[in-house]
Amino acid sequence: AQSVTQLDSQVPVFEEAPVELRCNYSSSVSVYLFWYVQYPNQGLQLLLKYLSGSTLVESINGFEAEFNKSQTSFHLRKPSVHISDTAEYFCAVSERNTPLVFGKGTRLSVIA
Amino acid sequence: ETGVTQTPRHLVMGMTNKKSLKCEQHLGHNAMYWYKQSAKKPLELMFVYSLEERVENNSVPSRFSPECPNSSHLFLHLHTLQPEDSALYLCASSPTLTAIANYGYTFGSGTRLTVV
Repeated sequence: AQSVTQLDSQVPVFEEAPVELRCNYSSSVSVYLFWYVQYPNQGLQLLLKYLSGSTLVESINGFEAEFNKSQTSFHLRKPSVHISDTAEYFCAVSERNTPLVFGKGTRLSVIA
Repeated sequence: ETGVTQTPRHLVMGMTNKKSLKCEQHLGHNAMYWYKQSAKKPLELMFVYSLEERVENNSVPSRFSPECPNSSHLFLHLHTLQPEDSALYLCASSPTLTAIANYGYTFGSGTRLTVV
């Protein structure tokens, strides 16, 4: 069965600095990978996803994630964060369209 | 609104109470899910419904009882809960059970449940 590990529970970063949120997964088959974001008092929103093809995927608000099959990773990056990026970020995996399995989440705190 | 509406947003209940959580989606989706979100733990998949039939039950205690009367509505009936059941309960939907890859899930804002 698939599993997801998010190594950092909290990541503080100064505004306009770069950030990387780490995600590793475990699976014996091909997977689909997702990043979701949860703002305070809200549900989860899809940020970006990897299905196949190009290993680098981007979101509309400047985040990107790179699928690395050999390292079974799908780290999320942003070159310059804003205060509004403060939220909790969840990595998720699906094996062949099975229900999503989520990591514990990483709380990103952007400091002015 | 995200297209998936959950009510109530907050609920405080005693261990002997009976209450229900409601989830409603107007997206035309056929699959719906209940997840439990506890602090410092991964989201836990509780139940999965596809076309009003339960297709997955992840060893959830019987004090949680789901109901899906139609493809737009999903309920979670609660009775004799324990304090450790306090959490954020999230409802999600997807177009079909197998369309996860292309669409992911649409989540509601959740119900914050506190058991006292």
